[in-house]
Amino acid sequence: KQEVTQIPAALSVPEGENLVLNCSFTDSAIYNLQWFRQDPGKGLTSLLLIQSSQREQTSGRLNASLDKSSGRSTLYIAASQPGDSATYLCAVGRETSYDKVIFGPGTSLSVIP
Amino acid sequence: DAGVTQSPTHLIKTRGQHVTLRCSPISGHKSVSWYQQVLGQGPQFIFQYYEKEERGRGNFPDRFSARQFPNYSSELNVNALLLGDSALYLCASSPPGGGGKLFFGSGTQLSVL
Repeated sequence: KQEVTQIPAALSVPEGENLVLNCSFTDSAIYNLQWFRQDPGKGLTSLLLIQSSQREQTSGRLNASLDKSSGRSTLYIAASQPGDSATYLCAVGRETSYDKVIFGPGTSLSVIP
Repeated sequence: DAGVTQSPTHLIKTRGQHVTLRCSPISGHKSVSWYQQVLGQGPQFIFQYYEKEERGRGNFPDRFSARQFPNYSSELNVNALLLGDSALYLCASSPPGGGGKLFFGSGTQLSVL
């Protein structure tokens, strides 16, 4: 059974700092891995999608890496801004059906001006 | 183009009642999935529909049911509501050949009193 964990559960950093969010999964037979952002009480916004055959994806100040063999993914945020404050969730798509993703519990990020 | 739309945005029900939540996917998306997110946790998979057929069901009781219509919109029905059904219900759609990328709606916040 796939289990997804995220460390840390919460993080508070000063504006401008570079930071790394971690995601771990127990079953390496994945189809893809997605990172989402969620603002309080809102839906999820897709940030980056990494296919199982890829090692990383980049979008602006965001970079996500994937190491299937070790069951890990990291989301790197460069030069953090107060607007980055949100909960970040990773989600693993199973090999048999990519829509049935398994989510981690999320990391709550607060960027202090 | 419009994103995934969900209605209603908020709903208050009492125990034992029935509720219907609605979702319209992005135009061209044929797959719709439903998730339940309890406060402080990651979303949990409930159902996936593709081309009007159920393709997957999560670990939820039979009180939960769903369907997809010819225009690919979807309904989630919950019978005999319990206090523990209080959550944010999220709908996501994905395009054919999109590599499994999920596009989420803003969700329906259901409160059961």
